Amino acid sequence: QKEVEQNSGPLSVPEGAIASLNCTYSDRGSQSFFWYRQYSGKSPELIMFIYSNGDKEDGRFTAQLNKASQYVSLLIRDSQPSDSATYLCAVPPPRGATNKLIFGTGTLLAVQP
Amino acid sequence: EAGVAQSPRYKIIEKRQSVAFWCNPISGHATLYWYQQILGQGPKLLIQFQNNGVVDDSQLPKDRFSAERLKGVDSTLKIQPAKLEDSAVYLCASSLGPDLSYEQYFGPGTRLTVT
Repeated sequence: QKEVEQNSGPLSVPEGAIASLNCTYSDRGSQSFFWYRQYSGKSPELIMFIYSNGDKEDGRFTAQLNKASQYVSLLIRDSQPSDSATYLCAVPPPRGATNKLIFGTGTLLAVQP
Repeated sequence: EAGVAQSPRYKIIEKRQSVAFWCNPISGHATLYWYQQILGQGPKLLIQFQNNGVVDDSQLPKDRFSAERLKGVDSTLKIQPAKLEDSAVYLCASSLGPDLSYEQYFGPGTRLTVT
């Protein structure tokens, strides 16, 4: 099992809809979770991080963490064409001594106008 | 505040040739990362520096890849000799410190094509 798994997509949603992006991880001990956005041909940029079970909201973005089920989700409300990008989930490695991130393969989101 | 700078932006070489990439992190950032991102995959950490010391190079193919950050500021990543499978975008990132509570800022990347 991969440490971080994401559906590669593409996930296609109409403008104004809610986009739901999911990520599962293998290590029950993982404590922190990060969502990055990467536009085509550009570098990743951090959009959300979450440490605690439950929801964390930031504008149109909500991160949801369920440690018991080992998944973390990113919801984008009122999706806009400018949200079209690849969304990367990242978690620290299992039992790692260093503070580094393991990235998933990313989910490509396409918001249709 | 200036971002992470990388050069060159693009490089095309033949297999078995050598190549070097340069990165200048955000001023004051002690931690510097080199990632490899193959098309369709997420970034993979190659090496992490804290000032001029190596924190993690467990995924660096040391038979062909080397990296240095001699003065604890800018860094170079070298590949010698290159293989076809090294074709990827090489991303440099920096953060204030090694703790994950510090955001990692990525540079624009260097797209390497090995023919």
